[in-house]
Amino acid sequence: SYELTQPLSVSVALGQTARLTCERNNIGNYNVHWYQQRSGQAPVLVIYRDNNRPSGIPERFSGSNSGNTASLTISRAQAGDEADYYCQVWHSTTLVVFGGGTKLTVL
Amino acid sequence: EVQVVESGGGLVQPGGSLRLSCAASGFTFRSFWMSWVRQVPGKGLEWVANINEDGSEKYYVDSVKGRFTISRDNAKSSLSLQVNSLRAEDTAVYYCARETWGYFDSWGRGTLVTVSS
Repeated sequence: SYELTQPLSVSVALGQTARLTCERNNIGNYNVHWYQQRSGQAPVLVIYRDNNRPSGIPERFSGSNSGNTASLTISRAQAGDEADYYCQVWHSTTLVVFGGGTKLTVL
Repeated sequence: EVQVVESGGGLVQPGGSLRLSCAASGFTFRSFWMSWVRQVPGKGLEWVANINEDGSEKYYVDSVKGRFTISRDNAKSSLSLQVNSLRAEDTAVYYCARETWGYFDSWGRGTLVTVSS
């Protein structure tokens, strides 16, 4: 099966930069999408196709994807960024695959 | 404003059935693939099924094949998921999501399905 590996948790100091990763062999060959899920809420798309922000998502959110690692970078972290973050790809055999999610804590 | 609203969840015994519904508004429903994604409380997201624009293509995660059926009514801008032969491991919040080029750009708030005796 096709699996995406995300760290269980990442901590970042208020105002600093957080980098969340999503790993898989040759993930750079796929489009990676990222979702934010605040506690008790539905997921929200924050990055699509590696590095594109939907309207309404702050410029502080950016993405990259190369080789075996895709990344979501959150600059100038705010308390409201505290959430679970999921990466996702579309794969030809398993179709839609989500990573296990990373809990971001803003200290 | 794009909106999708799920309904139909509830408590059901193992082996039972439910029909989940999703009402869409604010966009041309017939022009989009639609998906169901579920989340066991406290766990991660799992894609369940999707359906193409006219309902002629349907895909499922292996664990629900033969038990769940996705369908849509474009005239009513609605999406459904018939869930049969329910198991304890199907307990989850079920989200309806609009799909665009392999990602999900709009999600509902979800409907909780609890399978328990």
